[in-house]
Amino acid sequence: SQTIHQWPATLVQPVGSPLSLECTVEGTSNPNLYWYRQAAGRGLQLLFYSIGIDQISSEVPQNLSASRPQDRQFILSSKKLLLSDSGFYLCAWSVWGDGLAGNISSYNEQFFGPGTRLTVL
Amino acid sequence: KNEVEQSPQNLTAQEGEFITINCSYSVGISALHWLQQHPGGGIVSLFMLSSGKKKHGRLIATINIQEKHSSLHITASHPRDSAVYICAVTGNQFYFGTGTSLTVIP
Repeated sequence: SQTIHQWPATLVQPVGSPLSLECTVEGTSNPNLYWYRQAAGRGLQLLFYSIGIDQISSEVPQNLSASRPQDRQFILSSKKLLLSDSGFYLCAWSVWGDGLAGNISSYNEQFFGPGTRLTVL
Repeated sequence: KNEVEQSPQNLTAQEGEFITINCSYSVGISALHWLQQHPGGGIVSLFMLSSGKKKHGRLIATINIQEKHSSLHITASHPRDSAVYICAVTGNQFYFGTGTSLTVIP
């Protein structure tokens, strides 16, 4: 069966410090991978998605970046955190598909990781 | 205006009540998703549907493509159903509603 892991579960970082959140998936190959953020009192926002190694698409311009060095590993990073980066970060995977517009997998159900709660002070 | 609107934003029900959460969207979609977010933050995908109706246990999801509307029903609600329920649609990109916070009182 497939499982998705995220770490750390919680993180408190000072403004201006770097960030690295990791997500790994087990039990599947060549998944689509996604990073979401949920700010306090707001809905989910898609940040990045990836349909393959080193293939990253950004949905929202910001000071965050994502990388996919291996098929089942997705990393969210920042060189310098802002207060506004605080939130709940979720990684998700879906079965591979190139979707309606040839980019996002529009058709496949997504499975979410446990999330990382980030507080920037 | 959000592409996905949910109602109500908050809902309190007595155990055993029939619950309906509504979702309306304004964009063309290929699929609609209902997600459940537990108090700890973890999210579970409940349904993905593009037409008609799906049922899983006490949960039923319907969608009317022409009216751009979906409903999530919970029959015989239980305190463990207390969670935030999120509607999301996929077309050219993902759009998420802000969620409906459900509290079921014993």
